[in-house]
Amino acid sequence: QVQLVQSGAEVKKPGASVKVSCKTSGFTFSNYYIHWVRQAPGQGLEWMGIINAGGGLTTYAQKFQGRVTMTSDTSTSTVYMELTSLSSEDTAVYYCARDPNYEWILYIFDYWGQGTLVTVSS
Amino acid sequence: DIQMTQSPSTLSASVGDRVTITCRASQSISSWLAWYHQKPGKAPKLLIYKASNLESGVPSRFSGSGSGTEFTLTISSLQPDDFATYYCQQYKDYPTFGGGTKVEIE
Repeated sequence: QVQLVQSGAEVKKPGASVKVSCKTSGFTFSNYYIHWVRQAPGQGLEWMGIINAGGGLTTYAQKFQGRVTMTSDTSTSTVYMELTSLSSEDTAVYYCARDPNYEWILYIFDYWGQGTLVTVSS
Repeated sequence: DIQMTQSPSTLSASVGDRVTITCRASQSISSWLAWYHQKPGKAPKLLIYKASNLESGVPSRFSGSGSGTEFTLTISSLQPDDFATYYCQQYKDYPTFGGGTKVEIE
């Protein structure tokens, strides 16, 4: 079955960087796109960007451009999201999620990771 | 960005009730709308895509309708497992979500 398993919770100081992993299984990794979505405590959902798992092509939300980097490792079917220059406003649960259509990007999310809590605190 | 507005923000209901949630887009998004629900501490789950298409495995008590700027999610007979927060999401442009509707026990 399709699974996305994320790395564990992180605590970072302001100004630091964090790198979250999302290991996938149960589908042909290189055929699909993976999104990253975050959710601040008690808040709604915010799309951060997308990566083509096979080719590594990325598109980032304008808000995060210059601070986010998404990469993929086809040998381990894992995608990564690195966010730099962290502030308290980046405290959130970060989710990876699969786009369901491998022929073109739909920009919806059919399978999700369990989420990774990133806490930014001095 | 396309802004998505949901109403109500909170809804109190009982098991067996018919529940309707509304989502409005700041500009026309045709039928490029999805609905999710989310339980505390869990990831969202896709319920409906393209405004009215039920995701595989989602119970038929869920239905969606609308196009352009006005959309609704209806639960025909609320079940205990349905108490959660519901989000709409547009995908005509880069994705944006509504603020959520919490369905709680009356």
